[in-house]
Amino acid sequence: DAGVTQSPTHLIKTRGQHVTLRCSPISGHKSVSWYQQVLGQGPQFIFQYYEKEERGRGNFPDRFSARQFPNYSSELNVNALLLGDSALYLCASSFSGLAETSSYNEQFFGPGTRLTVL
Amino acid sequence: KNQVEQSPQSLIILEGKNCTLQCNYTVSPFSNLRWYKQDTGRGPVSLTIMTFSENTKSNGRYTATLDADTKQSSLHITASQLSDSASYICVVSAGGSYIPTFGRGTSLIVHP
Repeated sequence: DAGVTQSPTHLIKTRGQHVTLRCSPISGHKSVSWYQQVLGQGPQFIFQYYEKEERGRGNFPDRFSARQFPNYSSELNVNALLLGDSALYLCASSFSGLAETSSYNEQFFGPGTRLTVL
Repeated sequence: KNQVEQSPQSLIILEGKNCTLQCNYTVSPFSNLRWYKQDTGRGPVSLTIMTFSENTKSNGRYTATLDADTKQSSLHITASQLSDSASYICVVSAGGSYIPTFGRGTSLIVHP
């Protein structure tokens, strides 16, 4: 069974451009969460989607948006890219939303998309 | 503000030795605490998860402890192997929102 997949693996953009990152969850998982990991730091929570609805949002500007499709895959969009947006963007899937069930709702992470903004 | 602090920032040990990583948190209300292992350029992989009522959890050579009163956790690695070289991240989720707060991680290097 395939794990969480993300595309593209690497991406280079220039300031002001827009980027779309994609994530496919583990089959049967209905929740997708997005994280930003700047080099040398731990991941920071951006969004969580469950059953196609936003269920959580971290402290990120409105330039960041996401959506979840009927097949539970997800896209993360970032507009007006800044140099500081350069990071590893991680997607994690789980069967239920972060707050839906007990704390044993395990998250499985994908390999990430490495975004470089020049 | 919810915070997770990890120490040491980096650690170098010889293969076969034991080591202990520390995690202090201020997340409130507390829901659960997880330890993840992250290889360079890869996504984190879960090692252990503990709730308020649990004070120890093992996964092979990895043993995590939790003191909910002092808001501290530790990850003990026994008989280290070269493949243990990675970043170890402590993650604490808040009750209610369950939004996770990640520590910056401890970078462990195991030398032969």
